[in-house]
Amino acid sequence: DADVTQTPRNRITKTGKRIMLECSQTKGHDRMYWYRQDPGLGLRLIYYSFDVKDINKGEISDGYSVSRQAQAKFSLSLESAIPNQTALYFCATSDLRQGDTGELFFGEGSRLTVL
Amino acid sequence: GQNIDQPTEMTATEGAIVQINCTYQTSGFNGLFWYQQHAGEAPTFLSYNVLDGLEEKGRFSSFLSRSKGYSYLLLKELQMKDSASYLCAPMDSNYQLIWGAGTKLIIKP
Repeated sequence: DADVTQTPRNRITKTGKRIMLECSQTKGHDRMYWYRQDPGLGLRLIYYSFDVKDINKGEISDGYSVSRQAQAKFSLSLESAIPNQTALYFCATSDLRQGDTGELFFGEGSRLTVL
Repeated sequence: GQNIDQPTEMTATEGAIVQINCTYQTSGFNGLFWYQQHAGEAPTFLSYNVLDGLEEKGRFSSFLSRSKGYSYLLLKELQMKDSASYLCAPMDSNYQLIWGAGTKLIIKP
């Protein structure tokens, strides 16, 4: 089983619909992230969380919200999806305990298409 | 601001050697990562450098010069499965990875 699991893996929806992407991890990491990736662009950070009570905006948070329900779960919501939110979304985890480098471990990705 | 510069695309021949360069500017520095990403898949970790010099791991090596804001990834004995994008990602003072668009490597027989 994957250490970082994203659901759904693929989703097609219509403009204006509410969408939730879920991420769960079994690595025991405190830090969790949501990124989006568009063709020809680098990974862009949407939101990140360093523990259950901590939520931080990334560079492109507008139109998105997140919830850190538990150490292992971090969900991303699009309250009213629009076509330019069509992208590949990745959840990632990391930790910075002694000896850790801060390496990111990624989920398999969720491909979202907004029509 | 923070910036990553890598070639957009490179082509190499199976069995050959290729070097992918990366220059970066970050607010602070806490190491640099290289990731491999096949099309439509998640990035996977290749290497991490925090001190100047060369780190070797099998067919892949990564070099860092902190004073020059420069790193490279060296791939030897290229295989067709090495066709992928290679992402250079330095870590800034807040321990956040800064991502460029990556280098798409095409391997030809």
